[in-house]
Amino acid sequence: AQSVTQLGSHVSVSEGALVLLRCNYSSSVPPYLFWYVQYPNQGLQLLLKYTTGATLVKGINGFEAEFKKSETSFHLTKPSAHMSDAAEYFCAVINTGGFKTIFGAGTRLFVKA
Amino acid sequence: DVKVTQSSRYLVKRTGEKVFLECVQDMDHENMFWYRQDPGLGLRLIYFSYDVKMKEKGDIPEGYSVSREKKERFSLILESASTNQTSMYLCASRGTGVQSGEQFFGPGTRLTVL
Repeated sequence: AQSVTQLGSHVSVSEGALVLLRCNYSSSVPPYLFWYVQYPNQGLQLLLKYTTGATLVKGINGFEAEFKKSETSFHLTKPSAHMSDAAEYFCAVINTGGFKTIFGAGTRLFVKA
Repeated sequence: DVKVTQSSRYLVKRTGEKVFLECVQDMDHENMFWYRQDPGLGLRLIYFSYDVKMKEKGDIPEGYSVSREKKERFSLILESASTNQTSMYLCASRGTGVQSGEQFFGPGTRLTVL
């Protein structure tokens, strides 16, 4: 069965510092991987996705993530945090040819001034 | 601009009431989903639909039903609301195709059952 594990339900960084949100997945077939962001009182929106091809994918707002098959990881990074990045982030996986998307429990990012 | 809309942002209902949550998408997507979101649990799939009048149970269907009479509309029904159904409900839609993994979400309905 597929699963997604996000390490750390809360992450706090200072403005300008590196953001690193961790995601590990399990899947028996090549996965499609996603990061979604949820701002307060809003639905989720896509930040970036990996389907095939280049393993380093770039998303909106300066975020990027690298698919590492050997580590079954898809960690999200941003070189310099901004106050507007404060939100909840969800990692998700869907197997190719599959239907259901499996979401991680989410990581809430706090950005300190 | 693609859009998924939900009928209410906030809803307060009493135990035992029948509750309808409506979701409409304008992207001509075949697939639609209902999730509930609770702190520390992420998103849990309640029901999904891959075509008009077709529906499949998700991971937590108990106490819920759905209706999809038109392609653009997917309704979630709480037959007899209970306090443990107090939650954020998110609707999403998705197209069909090998690259269509992305889901588009509505803004959510925060339901409180008293």
